[in-house]
Amino acid sequence: GQNIDQPTEMTATEGAIVQINCTYQTSGFNGLFWYQQHAGEAPTFLSYNVLDGLEEKGRFSSFLSRSKGYSYLLLKELQMKDSASYLCAIMDSNYQLIWGAGTKLIIKP
Amino acid sequence: DTEVTQTPKHLVMGMTNKKSLKCEQHMGHRAMYWYKQKAKKPPELMFVYSYEKLSINESVPSRFSPECPNSSLLNLHLHALQPEDSALYLCASSQEEGGGGNEQFFGPGTRLTVL
Repeated sequence: GQNIDQPTEMTATEGAIVQINCTYQTSGFNGLFWYQQHAGEAPTFLSYNVLDGLEEKGRFSSFLSRSKGYSYLLLKELQMKDSASYLCAIMDSNYQLIWGAGTKLIIKP
Repeated sequence: DTEVTQTPKHLVMGMTNKKSLKCEQHMGHRAMYWYKQKAKKPPELMFVYSYEKLSINESVPSRFSPECPNSSLLNLHLHALQPEDSALYLCASSQEEGGGGNEQFFGPGTRLTVL
């Protein structure tokens, strides 16, 4: 079956670093996406990983280990505007996105 | 132009009404998607159009009827909806359907309330 697990909610402090984990078991793998979604708004694309390793993009980095079925999103120098839900999504063997339930990140001053 | 637009932003309709949601993109993307999203849940795929042809219908009830008039436009026609259909309806587009790295760009969504 298809399964993507992420923590439901995390809390972090402004200026700190936070790591959001995603583990998955899917029928096939054609890449892993991270999206950010503010409440009541559309998801916005953050990163894409298809090979093992770390992809860095400014304050955000995403890591993938295909053998472990594991990814994380690392957010540095947290800002209040980073309070949002972070969705992990896998592109399966049919090239369809399978979405995790999302992690609600709360940033405190 | 790197955005997907959707109209209307909000829609309230009765169970006997007929309404349409509209989506437009001018990025030359050949795949367009309709998703439904309930509060605190991830998006659920409804339909995929690829090169203006319906390629995926995720067993969506017939009261939802998609239409792709051309490569830039995607409509979702609504008729005889139920209160449980109230949700955020998201349109997205990507360069191609599937394929590695084809990130989907989302529109702002239409917040639909069915009374």
